[in-house]
Amino acid sequence: SYVLTQPPSVSVAPGQTARITCGGNNIGSKSVHWYQQKPGQAPVLVVYDDSDRPSGIPERFSGSNSGNTATLTISRVEAGDEADYYCQVWDSSSDHHYVFGTGTKVTVL
Amino acid sequence: QITLKESGPTLVKPTQTLTLTCTFSGFSLSTSGVGVGWIRQPPGKALEWLALIYWNDDKRYSPSLKSRLTITKDTSKNQVVLTMTNMDPVDTATYYCAHRRGYCSSTSCYNWFDPWGQGTLVTVSS
Repeated sequence: SYVLTQPPSVSVAPGQTARITCGGNNIGSKSVHWYQQKPGQAPVLVVYDDSDRPSGIPERFSGSNSGNTATLTISRVEAGDEADYYCQVWDSSSDHHYVFGTGTKVTVL
Repeated sequence: QITLKESGPTLVKPTQTLTLTCTFSGFSLSTSGVGVGWIRQPPGKALEWLALIYWNDDKRYSPSLKSRLTITKDTSKNQVVLTMTNMDPVDTATYYCAHRRGYCSSTSCYNWFDPWGQGTLVTVSS
């Protein structure tokens, strides 16, 4: 089955840029979606289709996807961005399954 | 506005069958393209997709749990039910249901979850 690998943690100072990677075999050929999950809360979609933002999500959140790595970029990081982030793809090659990444904890220093 | 809410037991015993209900509003599971999925998250661990049912009653399951899962829908009640048999302490987790969004082009399909329910914590213990 398809595997998505994320770094366990990323630390960033306020105002700086956080980059969270999501690695998968030829992930550039798939559509990647990103979720933010704050403690005790349900996940919230922040980026879909590699780089689109749902309404209400700040422009500071952006995404890219190429080759074997997709990236979620958070610009001008704020304290409120501290959360766990998960990538997700739909794998058409394995009976149409949904796959989540291993998750990345973003800590704002 | 789309909302979803999970309901079911908070505590089940090992070997028992878990039945969870997702009650939603703001959309209909009889509408073409619509789907509802179940995802779980053990305490302190990552999200794990479990199952999904589409408007046309197409059902998909996680390969690792397929033998234990059944997903059904009741369109008239706006509900989706997930059953998981032979529960084990490792199945202790928060269980979420979520609205599936997506579309298909001529070459592929694109699927994601938005929004999610608040989740319900299920503990498996004797």
